Amino acid sequence: DAGVTQSPTHLIKTRGQQVTLRCSPKSGHDTVSWYQQALGQGPQFIFQYYEEEERQRGNFPDRFSGHQFPNYSSELNVNALLLGDSALYLCASSQGQLRLMNTGELFFGEGSRLTVL
Amino acid sequence: EDKVVQSPLSLVVHEGDTVTLNCSYEVTNFRSLLWYKQEKKAPTFLFMLTSSGIEKKSGRLSSILDKKELFSILNITATQTGDSAVYLCAVSSGSARQLTFGSGTQLTVLP
Repeated sequence: DAGVTQSPTHLIKTRGQQVTLRCSPKSGHDTVSWYQQALGQGPQFIFQYYEEEERQRGNFPDRFSGHQFPNYSSELNVNALLLGDSALYLCASSQGQLRLMNTGELFFGEGSRLTVL
Repeated sequence: EDKVVQSPLSLVVHEGDTVTLNCSYEVTNFRSLLWYKQEKKAPTFLFMLTSSGIEKKSGRLSSILDKKELFSILNITATQTGDSAVYLCAVSSGSARQLTFGSGTQLTVLP
């Protein structure tokens, strides 16, 4: 059973460029959340997608956008990259957004390490 | 704004020692507190706590929640080098759609 898969694992961009990160949720999961983890910090919530709609958004600018496809996979897009966007971007999946409260099991992928030069 | 604070930020112990990691929180409409272990990249789930005073155990790890004092502790007994990792505490609140994480505790277990 494949867990949460993310691509690419590493990438390097320059300031002002745009990047797209991809995530396939664990089999049977329909909800995808994205988190940004800067070095030495805990993950910070970016947004959550359920039924192809953004359901909740954290404190991130509009440069961060996303999409969820009918097969539940998701993309995170970041425009006009800044040096401060360098981080590990984690995708997490769960079954039904409300069930997180019941099971606590939010499954994380290995992440995409983005470096902005 | 929800806030989670973990202490200590880092900890170095020797195999066989017992460690206690702390997590305090300030959230509106608290739902649950979760502990994760992050060894390289993907955090892995350890415990979810929703009620005060009920200890959760898994092998050498255990955790308890105090909803009155707004904190939780994670205990690891008889530590092993494989316990070396960052331990993250997170809280779920409000609509439960997001987790608010602390900065983590970096635990290093020396042989």
